[in-house]
Parts: sequence; C-alpha cells; structure tokens
Amino acid sequence: QQPVQSPQAVILREGEDAVINCSSSKALYSVHWYRQKHGEAPVFLMILLKGGEQMRHEKISASFNEKKQQSSLYLTASQLSYSGTYFCGTEYRNDYKLSFGAGTTVTVRA
Amino acid sequence: EAGVAQSPRYKIIEKRQSVAFWCNPISGHATLYWYQQILGQGPKLLIQFQNNGVVDDSQLPKDRFSAERLKGVDSTLKIQPAKLEDSAVYLCASSLVGGKPGAKNIQYFGAGTRLSVL
Repeated sequence: QQPVQSPQAVILREGEDAVINCSSSKALYSVHWYRQKHGEAPVFLMILLKGGEQMRHEKISASFNEKKQQSSLYLTASQLSYSGTYFCGTEYRNDYKLSFGAGTTVTVRA
Repeated sequence: EAGVAQSPRYKIIEKRQSVAFWCNPISGHATLYWYQQILGQGPKLLIQFQNNGVVDDSQLPKDRFSAERLKGVDSTLKIQPAKLEDSAVYLCASSLVGGKPGAKNIQYFGAGTRLSVL
C-alpha cells in the first residue's frame, strides 16, 4: 500500500519554509523519512512512531497525525544543503515492510 | 562504521543479456533488502532476507530475477534475461533487525547500481 506524497516538487529560496505531506489509506504504525540527493543513496532522517513525539533533524522536523493517517515534514529556514528528493516510508501493524512514496523533490536556491 | 557497499555503480547491457549486482551490508545487520527504483519513483521492495533466509519475495519477478545471500552476509541479485523495463537503480539496504516495528527497522542504503538495458 504505497503512501501518497504531496507536493511532487517545491522550489524555495534559502531561508524559506516548506511542508511535505505523506498520507496513507491504512492505519500507520510508523513513518520513516529519507532524503536522497541525485546519484546518491537515500539517507535516513528520522522515524515517527505511533504515539511518539515530534522528531527533529537539524532544522527539519516532522509530525505524525494518527487520526489523519498522515505525517508532515517541515523544512524550516531552508539551506542549500536541503535540496534533494524526500521520501516517506510507511510501516503498518503486522506488516513491517517499508512502503515508499513517490518522493517530493526540493530545490533550494540562493 | 562502514556503510552498505554495492558494486558495480553502473552497468549497461543489451536486452536478453544477464547481469549481476553485489551487496555487502553493514556489519552485524541481520536483514538485507533489494529495491528497484525506477526514475521518478520511490524504491520498490524486490526481496528481503533475514540472515540467509528469504522473508519476502512477493514482488520479485521470479521468471527472470534471482537473489541469494550466502552465509547471511553478502548478497547477489541477478537478472537473466534482462528486459528494457528493467532499466532502473537497484538499491541494497540493511537493517539491524527486520520484521520488527519501528526503530529496529531503520534501513541504511547503499549508493545503488544504475542499470541501463538497451
């Protein structure tokens, strides 16, 4: 069951904020966030657990809304290094494989 | 700590040829995954190993794809014969313990092998 990410792409200037959403049609157990730069491996950013608290990685934070079956990733005061494609990976109870969304491409310009 | 190693980084073959990819996971990681990532899409799980046993291969096209993980460490993924639609990046990932919820399922990826089938 592949999660749906939105938006597909976003262009920011340094210092601007953005939100990326990851939605599921099934009840989520956890959401993993990864960032992939062109030609490189996806890099783990953070995990949001059901019933857990909001997580942070540098100035990137994320929340998990169990009722909405959704997670949101917040890029605050974006830096050039934040450019890349962000993927959410969702886990479901009793099926702990990760299903990845199609990704959101973030471009941060000076 | 060394990361997940994959080779080769790039491979170009003609359709109907065969190709093999190699992966060495992070030391001590019991679970190894092979993903296919088509341009513009998220990674799609092909096969998951727990030590040297297959846990999930439901999305592996078994008529042409095969994978093995001997001695529960390194793994190889083979395609024979290749089709044009197999052009993709093949990612290997490993986790400390797979099939368990949450933090124990955090996956660490290799840089991948980019396959072009002409």
